[in-house]
Amino acid sequence: GAVVSQHPSWVICKSGTSVKIECRSLDFQATTMFWYRQFPKQSLMLMATSNEGSKATYEQGVEKDKFLINHASLTLSTLTVTSAHPEDSSFYICSAYSQRGRETQYFGPGTRLLVL
Amino acid sequence: DQQVKQNSPSLSVQEGRISILNCDYTNSMFDYFLWYKKYPAEGPTFLISISSIKDKNEDGRFTVFLNKSAKHLSLHIVPSQPGDSAVYFCAASGLTFGEGTQLTVNP
Repeated sequence: GAVVSQHPSWVICKSGTSVKIECRSLDFQATTMFWYRQFPKQSLMLMATSNEGSKATYEQGVEKDKFLINHASLTLSTLTVTSAHPEDSSFYICSAYSQRGRETQYFGPGTRLLVL
Repeated sequence: DQQVKQNSPSLSVQEGRISILNCDYTNSMFDYFLWYKKYPAEGPTFLISISSIKDKNEDGRFTVFLNKSAKHLSLHIVPSQPGDSAVYFCAASGLTFGEGTQLTVNP
């Protein structure tokens, strides 16, 4: 079964509103979670690395005031797209880093955001 | 600067044959590599990983080969099945992804 969940899976919002996306690791503790964005026909783009209890590390070109990341517990990280605009419409994916047995990442199912 | 490259955007293979997906990287400090499979509008699914201290890792129909001197890795799928049709990403140390290769397995 799925080990990482994302909520919501779909969200449509008006321009100027804020949207929060949750990422949960269901049966393991994830000290590190990653947030990605995918544009059509492009590879996943890492937006930020989120470590539990500390500030997220953002990739170059990603506005930290625009994409607020909180990793308050070992099983939950949230991404808030503030004052969303149509160009923020995209597919957002989180992943949780695990060292259970082997190093790997488990990806969430993704959240489709459409800003009107 | 693209540190991980998948030079073939697409690959078409007949069912039952071998699919070989290639990936090149530039940073010799990468210590592990992963292959992911992705269907449209879904999150990537982890397939197989390999540590930089190994040159081969096998899991069922999937085998990943790593050639560190050439900074090259490949994913072999044999026998290929129509359900394998998807986009395959290689990733270095989990954070740097290639552009993906669309694999189509024809019945």
